[in-house]
Amino acid sequence: AQKITQTQPGMFVQEKEAVTLDCTYDTSDQSYGLFWYKQPSSGEMIFLIYQGSYDEQNATEGRYSLNFQKARKSANLVISASQLGDSAMYFCAMREGSYGNQFYFGTGTSLTVIP
Amino acid sequence: EAQVTQNPRYLITVTGKKLTVTCSQNMNHEYMSWYRQDPGLGLRQIYYSMNVEVTDKGDVPEGYKVSRKEKRNFPLILESPSPNQTSLYFCASIRTGTLPSSYGYTFGSGTRLTVV
Repeated sequence: AQKITQTQPGMFVQEKEAVTLDCTYDTSDQSYGLFWYKQPSSGEMIFLIYQGSYDEQNATEGRYSLNFQKARKSANLVISASQLGDSAMYFCAMREGSYGNQFYFGTGTSLTVIP
Repeated sequence: EAQVTQNPRYLITVTGKKLTVTCSQNMNHEYMSWYRQDPGLGLRQIYYSMNVEVTDKGDVPEGYKVSRKEKRNFPLILESPSPNQTSLYFCASIRTGTLPSSYGYTFGSGTRLTVV
């Protein structure tokens, strides 16, 4: 079974609108971390936001928020007020394991912001 | 500045010509890893290293070698590259420890490898 599932290969959003990128995960561990990374066309991987499995509040970082629904095992990224610079590939990832050394990535969602 | 330095950024080579992609981190991280990224497949782990002299295969190790003689360096070696190894490669490091932890991977800038 896939550890991280991103079901939206591509998404479009109008500039200034909000968009939600879906991510579901699979783990039997109690302690884990969820991450979102952005990859612009230049190729580098940029960390966006983190959610710990015990965090009761949804994580927020500026225009990014993580909609964490633990029972449903989902960790959707919400980008508010989209900007043209948000056009990129977005990867959801999970960290688990005894030493925190198991890291799994989804296949990514390509987001295009339309002017 | 805390970083993972990966070189080269771009490389075009011919089939069968041995090459090495270097990776160095300055954060004293125990765990280092190599990934390849291909369209529609996301990031797939090639090899990882828990510490010096400790390496293990990831999901797609065939055709690759690694070594970890020093904590900071983790080179990726392609002994006889083939066109199906054309890909975007990332080196990454992470501090291991008790979860949950907000520490995620620190990635290198990536190496775009083309094998012709």
